[in-house]
Amino acid sequence: KQEVTQIPAALSVPEGENLVLNCSFTDSAIYNLQWFRQDPGKGLTSLLLIQSSQREQTSGRLNASLDKSSGRSTLYIAASQPGDSATYLCAGNGETSGSRLTFGEGTQLTVNP
Amino acid sequence: DTAVSQTPKYLVTQMGNDKSIKCEQNLGHDTMYWYKQDSKKFLKIMFSYNNKELIINETVPNRFSPKSPDKAHLNLHINSLELGDSAVYFCASSLFSGGYGYTFGSGTRLTVV
Repeated sequence: KQEVTQIPAALSVPEGENLVLNCSFTDSAIYNLQWFRQDPGKGLTSLLLIQSSQREQTSGRLNASLDKSSGRSTLYIAASQPGDSATYLCAGNGETSGSRLTFGEGTQLTVNP
Repeated sequence: DTAVSQTPKYLVTQMGNDKSIKCEQNLGHDTMYWYKQDSKKFLKIMFSYNNKELIINETVPNRFSPKSPDKAHLNLHINSLELGDSAVYFCASSLFSGGYGYTFGSGTRLTVV
């Protein structure tokens, strides 16, 4: 059974700082690893999807990597801005879970101006 | 055009009532899901349908009954509501049952009083 853990649970940084959010998963037979953003009281916005054959994906200031052998993914945010403040969720699906996404508990990011 | 839309956005009801949440997607996806986000913000799958067929049924009380009249719609009916059912319920859809292209609705905040 897939389990996903995110560290840290909360992070507060000054504007402009580069930061890394960590995600670890127990089932290395993973199909997809996704990073989502959730703003307070809102739904989930997909940020990056890394398929099992890929090692990383980039979108603007965001870069996500996937290392299946170690069961880890990282989300790198460059030059953070106050608008990046949100909860970031990591989720994966794979051989043992089919299409169901198993979510981590999220990292609550606050970027201070 | 909203990709995955669910109604209502907010639902406040008394214990013992029966209520329904509706979900529709216009992405042409084959697979639809219901996820529950509890008070600790942890997201967990409840059900999944692929082309109107139930493929995932997690351990949820049988007071919860999903219905998929066609592959673009997945509704959730809840009987005899309890205080513990208070949560945010998210509908989602994806391409095939492999879980590609996950898109979430904006959520329905259910409060049982």
